[in-house]
Amino acid sequence: QVQLVQSGAEVKKPGASVKVSCKASGYTFTDYFMHWVRQAPGQGLEWMGWISPNSGGTHYAQKFQGRVTVTRDTSISTTYMELSGLRSDDTALYYCTRESHNSGGYYWGDWGQGTLVTVSS
Amino acid sequence: EIVLTQSPGTLSLSPGERATLSCRASQSVSSSHLAWYQQEPGQAPRLLIYGASNRATGIPDRFSGSGSGTDFTLTISRLEPEDFAVYYCQQYGGSPPAWTFGQGTKVEIK
Repeated sequence: QVQLVQSGAEVKKPGASVKVSCKASGYTFTDYFMHWVRQAPGQGLEWMGWISPNSGGTHYAQKFQGRVTVTRDTSISTTYMELSGLRSDDTALYYCTRESHNSGGYYWGDWGQGTLVTVSS
Repeated sequence: EIVLTQSPGTLSLSPGERATLSCRASQSVSSSHLAWYQQEPGQAPRLLIYGASNRATGIPDRFSGSGSGTDFTLTISRLEPEDFAVYYCQQYGGSPPAWTFGQGTKVEIK
């Protein structure tokens, strides 16, 4: 079965960077786009960007342009999300999620367990 | 960016009742890129509906989605205890294209 396993919780100081990993298993890694989504405490879901594991091509939400970098290592079926210039309002749970599609539409049916990133001085 | 507005913010209902959740887009959305998710406290979101009206694998048939253009609806025909959660709609589109979520509707026990 499809599994997305993320790295553990991080505590960072303002201005620092954080890199979260998402290891995929149970499917062909390069066949499916991977997205990153975050959720601040008590808030809704916010899309950050995606990567094509096949080509390495990326697309980011305008809000995060210049601060977020998503990469992948196909040899270990892992995607990474790095966020720089951390601020207190970047404190959130960060999820990776796999995009699928069929004739009915596009969907994100598989999610990682989430990685809590806390930004505090 | 396409903004999704969900209403109501909170829906207070009893088990067995019908729930109707609305998602309105600031501009027309492709139905193939409209999905609904359920999120319980401390859990990752769970896909319910994609393509506006297609139930995801394993989702009970009490969940249904409908709509097109700018107005979409998630209906839960008879609420079960496990259905009390937060529901989000999601779309892809706009210029530049981006994925966005609605702010969520919380379905709580009355």
